Amino acid sequence: DVKVTQSSRYLVKRTGEKVFLECVQDMDHENMFWYRQDPGLGLRLIYFSYDVKMKEKGDIPEGYSVSREKKERFSLILESASTNQTSMYLCASSPPGVKLFFGSGTQLSVL
Amino acid sequence: KQEVTQIPAALSVPEGENLVLNCSFTDSAIYNLQWFRQDPGKGLTSLLLIQSSQREQTSGRLNASLDKSSGRSTLYIAASQPGDSATYLCAVDFGVTPLVFGKGTRLSVIA
Repeated sequence: DVKVTQSSRYLVKRTGEKVFLECVQDMDHENMFWYRQDPGLGLRLIYFSYDVKMKEKGDIPEGYSVSREKKERFSLILESASTNQTSMYLCASSPPGVKLFFGSGTQLSVL
Repeated sequence: KQEVTQIPAALSVPEGENLVLNCSFTDSAIYNLQWFRQDPGKGLTSLLLIQSSQREQTSGRLNASLDKSSGRSTLYIAASQPGDSATYLCAVDFGVTPLVFGKGTRLSVIA
């Protein structure tokens, strides 16, 4: 079975901390994505990657960065966490033009 | 700007009823369209993927149709059950950027 694993289900951090959200997929997919989901705003794309060491900005990249050193792992980094980054973060992967597979999500609270 | 719209935002139906969820998109030149299900606090699960050359896809009690010329897709759920209660999201691959998501329809099936 396809598996996209996000390292934490719930995370609580303090304002100003550097936060790492990890995502690993076991399907050898080229494409990986990071979204955040907020009530009333839906899913918004933060960053995506179509290959190792490659990254592209999505709709809301400000305050975030990403790293993809290996094909199976795509990390989202909050350089200096702020309260407005409290959200559900969802990672996804896919081969080109095929179904998107999501992880279970990380609910991040920044206090 | 390419957009995906889902109306209504919420729907409540009695158990056993057949129902239709709607999705509209702004550009008929799409690659494919996907329907997802999301349970509260969880990630998204892909239900059906319709390629641009297809008119519909079926999986069990679910049937998704695609009409590119009118910019619409519907998800038909037959004989609804309380276990179908979830948020259903539509996402469109316009080919230029990653999937564009609608904000979803929250479905409640009342026993």
